Amino acid sequence: AQSVTQLDSHVSVSEGTPVLLRCNYSSSYSPSLFWYVQHPNKGLQLLLKYTSAATLVKGINGFEAEFKKSETSFHLTKPSAHMSDAAEYFCVVSLTDSWGKLQFGAGTQVVVTP
Amino acid sequence: EAGVVQSPRYKIIEKKQPVAFWCNPISGHNTLYWYRQNLGQGPELLIRYENEEAVDDSQLPKDRFSAERLKGVDSTLKIQPAELGDSAVYLCASSGGGGSRNEQFFGPGTRLTVL
Repeated sequence: AQSVTQLDSHVSVSEGTPVLLRCNYSSSYSPSLFWYVQHPNKGLQLLLKYTSAATLVKGINGFEAEFKKSETSFHLTKPSAHMSDAAEYFCVVSLTDSWGKLQFGAGTQVVVTP
Repeated sequence: EAGVVQSPRYKIIEKKQPVAFWCNPISGHNTLYWYRQNLGQGPELLIRYENEEAVDDSQLPKDRFSAERLKGVDSTLKIQPAELGDSAVYLCASSGGGGSRNEQFFGPGTRLTVL
């Protein structure tokens, strides 16, 4: 069965410092992986996705993630946090290689301090 | 282009009352999803539609939940009667077919509080 584990429920960073959100997955085949962001009272927004092409994936707003099969990880990073990055972030694995049934992680709440 | 639209945004009801949520997907998206997001958790799929057909409703509690997507566009999710444990955010999402199937676009959700 496919699943995803977000290793940190809360991350606090200072504005201008790097952000690292950790995600490990388990899958019986080569998965599709995603990061979504959810701002308060807003819908989930796709940050980036990995679908078996380049292992380093660049997304919106300066975020990127690296797919590491040997470590079964898909960590999300950003070199310099901005106040607007404060939100909840979800690592997501596609449960099938056909249609888009998604399994969400529990989420990581990011707090950015001035 | 308008995104996924949901209404109402907030709903407070007493237990045993009925409630309905409405979703209008992105124009041209044939696939529509309803998710439930409990506090502090990620969304969980309730039902998926391909056009007007419910192709995966295995996670929908059918004793009290129902959904429909007449004409393959708008969709309504209903709970009757509501229970305290139904308090959650109900999210609607839509996606196009083919290679873009995995990219789902989410609405802002309806936050349901059952008292």
